[in-house]
Amino acid sequence: KQEVTQIPAALSVPEGENLVLNCSFTDSAIYNLQWFRQDPGKGLTSLLLIQSSQREQTSGRLNASLDKSSGRSTLYIAASQPGDSATYLCAVGASWGKFQFGAGTQVVVTP
Amino acid sequence: DVKVTQSSRYLVKRTGEKVFLECVQDMDHENMFWYRQDPGLGLRLIYFSYDVKMKEKGDIPEGYSVSREKKERFSLILESASTNQTSMYLCASSPSGTKNTEAFFGQGTRLTVV
Repeated sequence: KQEVTQIPAALSVPEGENLVLNCSFTDSAIYNLQWFRQDPGKGLTSLLLIQSSQREQTSGRLNASLDKSSGRSTLYIAASQPGDSATYLCAVGASWGKFQFGAGTQVVVTP
Repeated sequence: DVKVTQSSRYLVKRTGEKVFLECVQDMDHENMFWYRQDPGLGLRLIYFSYDVKMKEKGDIPEGYSVSREKKERFSLILESASTNQTSMYLCASSPSGTKNTEAFFGQGTRLTVV
């Protein structure tokens, strides 16, 4: 069964620093990988989707990389802002559009 | 923009009640999902559906059932609510296929069973 791990579980950085969030998975036979953001008590907001054939995907200050052979993905957030404070979830895609989620990394960006 | 709407943000129900959680999506997606999210356990898949009237069990289907009579609507049913079903419930939808299956989530329903 696919296991998805996110390290660290929590992270606090001063405003302006770059954020690096890690996601690892045990089975490299994935369809895709999606990064989400979740604010407290809210649903999930899609940030980036990387297809299994891609190495990276970018959107504004966000960049996500994928290395299937080593079972890793990294989400980079450049020049962090207090509004980036949230929990970030990594989800590995399988058949029928199902996802296996990591437990998340809780990020606090201090002004 | 894709919109996935869950009928309630907060619900309080009594033990033994039959509970319906409704989810509607407006992007003509084939796939729909119900997850629950609990502290320390993350998101776990309860049921999913890849077409109208089609459903498949996820990882934790016990105590739940689902209904998909129309493509845009996917309902989660708690046959007899119990306190261990107190949780955040999240609905999602995605297009069919194996490539661009980006998932979109609703705002969540916080269910408390007393």
